[in-house]
Amino acid sequence: EAGVTQFPSHSVIEKGQTVTLRCDPISGHDNLYWYRRVMGKEIKFLLHFVKESKQDESGMPNNRFLAERTGGTYSTLKVQPAELEDSGVYFCASRPSGNLYNEQFFGPGTRLTVL
Amino acid sequence: AQSVAQPEDQVNVAEGNPLTVKCTYSVSGNPYLFWYVQYPNRGLQFLLKYITGDNLVKGSYGFEAEFNKSQTSFHLKKPSALVSDSALYFCAVRDGAGGSYIPTFGRGTSLIVHP
Repeated sequence: EAGVTQFPSHSVIEKGQTVTLRCDPISGHDNLYWYRRVMGKEIKFLLHFVKESKQDESGMPNNRFLAERTGGTYSTLKVQPAELEDSGVYFCASRPSGNLYNEQFFGPGTRLTVL
Repeated sequence: AQSVAQPEDQVNVAEGNPLTVKCTYSVSGNPYLFWYVQYPNRGLQFLLKYITGDNLVKGSYGFEAEFNKSQTSFHLKKPSALVSDSALYFCAVRDGAGGSYIPTFGRGTSLIVHP
């Protein structure tokens, strides 16, 4: 079974540019989560999809961040325009529905550097 | 509100010695507790979880963790450390009483096992 995949693995952009991160969850997992970790800090929750619907987007920092999950499959997270403080590692995770005790399965992350 | 504290940024241990990585938590309801490990250039991998039942939980790679309700702790342990255990370890808590079911992560503890 393929795990959660993320693309790209690294992205270096300049302040003001746009970047789009992609996450492919494990097939059949209805729940998809985005997190961000700034160097040395906690892994912070950004948002949660159930299929194509945003269940909880309370962690999104501001309106420069836009997440979508077309057809309930893969998800994209767009940052436009990027700011210096957006640098960090963006993790995606997925979890099957049904058992609320299930752990989440994480992707390898996308390291975003904004210069 | 829920929170996690990992009081040590780094833990150093010699190979073959026992290791402990500390975690304390705060939740309103019953805690669901998780440990994840991140190896270099990899995503977070699930190690073990406590939902209910026996306070001593056994997980992957010989790791175990002990749930202590009175001390609100969930320390990760291993009787004999390996150099290959060197990685970043994250503790997470979720409130079992409901809410958004989104876990809160700690800052992570870097474990370094010396040969």
